[in-house]
Amino acid sequence: KAGVTQTPRYLIKTRGQQVTLSCSPISGHRSVSWYQQTPGQGLQFLFEYFSETQRNKGNFPGRFSGRQFSNSRSEMNVSTLELGDSALYLCASSRDAEETQYFGPGTRLLVL
Amino acid sequence: GQNIDQPTEMTATEGAIVQINCTYQTSGFNGLFWYQQHAGEAPTFLSYNVLDGLEEKGRFSSFLSRSKGYSYLLLKELQMKDSASYLCAVGSSGGSYIPTFGRGTSLIVHP
Repeated sequence: KAGVTQTPRYLIKTRGQQVTLSCSPISGHRSVSWYQQTPGQGLQFLFEYFSETQRNKGNFPGRFSGRQFSNSRSEMNVSTLELGDSALYLCASSRDAEETQYFGPGTRLLVL
Repeated sequence: GQNIDQPTEMTATEGAIVQINCTYQTSGFNGLFWYQQHAGEAPTFLSYNVLDGLEEKGRFSSFLSRSKGYSYLLLKELQMKDSASYLCAVGSSGGSYIPTFGRGTSLIVHP
């Protein structure tokens, strides 16, 4: 069974731009969560989608948004990029709530 | 809310045994996870404890005490490839199950 995939793997943007990241979960997994990981803050939860609905949301500004499609694939968007948005963005999928999450390889975003 | 504490860094010798501790405070506990993350890579699932006691899986074991809000990950017969960050994550109950991750413990294994 294929694992979680994320595209792109690396991205360089400039301040003020926007970016869209994509995540394809493991087949059969309906829950997709997004995390931001930085050396200073560790792994921080952004939001979780289940059956095309945002079910949980972390403490991030409205510039961070996401969506999930009927095939469970998910995208996250960051608008008006700031230098502090430079991070590794990880997607994790699970079959449902209270199930083990499996992570994708991440997208490393650098904002200049 | 949830609060998770684990040591920032540990060092150990190849072939030895190391124990990485994790303490947590949570409103509504629903399981504790351990993940391994090598530098520049994604976290990979190691173990999941929901009941008290020890879960053994090869060289790795994980222990949980819910009454003490305490867990540890035990790594035996350390190998150089075990050098990585080990993340403790606690799941909450109540319908909004999203694990909260600790900052991770960077383990350095030297010859």
